Amino acid sequence: GQSLEQPSEVTAVEGAIVQINCTYQTSGFYGLSWYQQHDGGAPTFLSYNALDGLEETGRFSSFLSRSDSYGYLLLQELQMKDSASYFCAVNSGGYQKVTFGIGTKLQVIP
Amino acid sequence: NAGVTQTPKFQVLKTGQSMTLQCAQDMNHEYMSWYRQDPGMGLRLIHYSVGAGITDQGEVPNGYNVSRSTTEDFPLRLLSAAPSQTSVYFCASRAPDYTQYFGPGTRLTVL
Repeated sequence: GQSLEQPSEVTAVEGAIVQINCTYQTSGFYGLSWYQQHDGGAPTFLSYNALDGLEETGRFSSFLSRSDSYGYLLLQELQMKDSASYFCAVNSGGYQKVTFGIGTKLQVIP
Repeated sequence: NAGVTQTPKFQVLKTGQSMTLQCAQDMNHEYMSWYRQDPGMGLRLIHYSVGAGITDQGEVPNGYNVSRSTTEDFPLRLLSAAPSQTSVYFCASRAPDYTQYFGPGTRLTVL
């Protein structure tokens, strides 16, 4: 089966940088995704990493190390609207089904 | 382009009742999936489909059925509702670049 671990809560100051880590155990690994979900809303896709390294999309960056079964999401220049839950998810198996972690609740404070 | 749509938005059932949650997408995606989300938990995969006529089980398939007769539609059937199935249900479809689009969700309460 699959298992993912990420911190349950993180607090950071507006304007700062925060890193949310994710470690995973799975067979047939293809890639690691990140999603954002505001309270009461649906998850929205942020990034997908299939290869080792850092991918940058605006204020958000995502990193993957396949050899360490580890990835992280980096949020820069934090804004109050970034307060949300962030989920890592693995694509695995022949059909690349997507399995989610339990999520990290990020609180941005003034 | 409506993306992923789900109906109904809210539903209350009595134990033992059956119902179908509807999901449709207009992006011609082959991969679609159903998740449930419970308070304090992540999204758990119920069933998924990689194209018309092809479905497979996820982590928590018991009590749910799916079928995929067209690319656009992927309904989720609750056979005999139980209070343990009270949850928020999300349908999603995935593009070839692995971007996954979620519907707005159905909030289901089973009494």
